[in-house]
Amino acid sequence: DAKTTQPPSMDCAEGRAANLPCNHSTISGNEYVYWYRQIHSQGPQYIIHGLKNNETNEMASLIITEDRKSSTLILPHATLRDTAVYYCIVRVARRDNYGQNFVFGPGTRLSVLP
Amino acid sequence: DAGVIQSPRHEVTEMGQEVTLRCKPISGHNSLFWYRQTMMRGLELLIYFNNNVPIDDSGMPEDRFSAKMPNASFSTLKIQPSEPRDSAVYFCASSPTGAPGGTQYFGPGTRLLVL
Repeated sequence: DAKTTQPPSMDCAEGRAANLPCNHSTISGNEYVYWYRQIHSQGPQYIIHGLKNNETNEMASLIITEDRKSSTLILPHATLRDTAVYYCIVRVARRDNYGQNFVFGPGTRLSVLP
Repeated sequence: DAGVIQSPRHEVTEMGQEVTLRCKPISGHNSLFWYRQTMMRGLELLIYFNNNVPIDDSGMPEDRFSAKMPNASFSTLKIQPSEPRDSAVYFCASSPTGAPGGTQYFGPGTRLLVL
């Protein structure tokens, strides 16, 4: 699976958009980009994933560059409860669930400030 | 749905004792994963099962660790004998087969302290 690079930490003002970048310059054509987050003392939580098109759900938006070498997770209106470690992961998706291991890097520690 | 259920939530034991962690995946999910998280090493995959069969146990640190999944609704992770360096948070996650991307749903974790 391709390696990802994320800034170790970021701050964001409450109510503003939080834009979390991720570099994955060695991503392969069949690898998806996933985002998870981990709020203190809880298990990781799935946020969103995508292949090449931008994606949006009730939690966030995922913007993937045209060359797929980087992506940005956008939390449109960050709240204090969005303070967490955010993990960007790239891996192949297989419907038979083989090779499903996620490799979690250190992630980005997002602090939403009042 | 109650989500992934793990027990116990906290475990304190003495070195040399046997520790058994339990996990009940979300009903209908065909894959189950055990992870360990420490400050030093972050979140590491230990083993995962597909349809109750262990697929990849390369992350299991050593023979003291063993995992079983006797049926689709239950899995155990056993450490025997336990050592202080096994102190960590152990997460179980499950995933439904065929889900695009194999999204994983994590339990609340078991916090293990080995004295």
